[in-house]
Amino acid sequence: NAGVTQTPKFQVLKTGQSMTLQCAQDMNHEYMSWYRQDPGMGLRLIHYSVGAGITDQGEVPNGYNVSRSTTEDFPLRLLSAAPSQTSVYFCASSTTRDAAYTDTQYFGPGTRLTVL
Amino acid sequence: AQSVTQLDSQVPVFEEAPVELRCNYSSSVSVYLFWYVQYPNQGLQLLLKYLSGSTLVESINGFEAEFNKSQTSFHLRKPSVHISDTAEYFCAVSTRSGGYNKLIFGAGTRLAVHP
Repeated sequence: NAGVTQTPKFQVLKTGQSMTLQCAQDMNHEYMSWYRQDPGMGLRLIHYSVGAGITDQGEVPNGYNVSRSTTEDFPLRLLSAAPSQTSVYFCASSTTRDAAYTDTQYFGPGTRLTVL
Repeated sequence: AQSVTQLDSQVPVFEEAPVELRCNYSSSVSVYLFWYVQYPNQGLQLLLKYLSGSTLVESINGFEAEFNKSQTSFHLRKPSVHISDTAEYFCAVSTRSGGYNKLIFGAGTRLAVHP
């Protein structure tokens, strides 16, 4: 198993550009989520999905969109990039929604995004 | 609102010395507690977790953490560290809020093990 994969590893955008961060998992996990990691702030939940076709907002959703058309993929879209979105983005998955509450979340290696 | 405080942003230590990484949380309800580790240029990995039962939990690589309800703490300890333990460590609380599950992370503690 490759686990959770993310592409690209690094990205530089100009203010106002849009892009999609890719996330895929091959563990047949129902629950997937996106976090952003900022210095001194830990990780904060952006969006999550409890299965194909079902997504919802986390605590910092503004400026991001998600969709979940398959169990494997959970892309994160930046609609109009802003410098405040400079961060490291992690995708994570877990077997079920309830498992995400009590069990392990598996993280991808991250995407380092810089918005100029 | 629940929060997690990691009291030290950086902890330098010599190899084979003991170490304690401190974590306090605020919560008025039952919580599930986790420690995740992030090695350089990698994603986070679960180190250990407390759900219920024995308040002392152990990982496979010699770390242990003790849940202390009265002090709302979940400190991580290792009696003898190795160079390979150099990483950033995150304490996290699992909770349900607004109908969804989320992990509330501390800001992280960077452990630097020196030879």
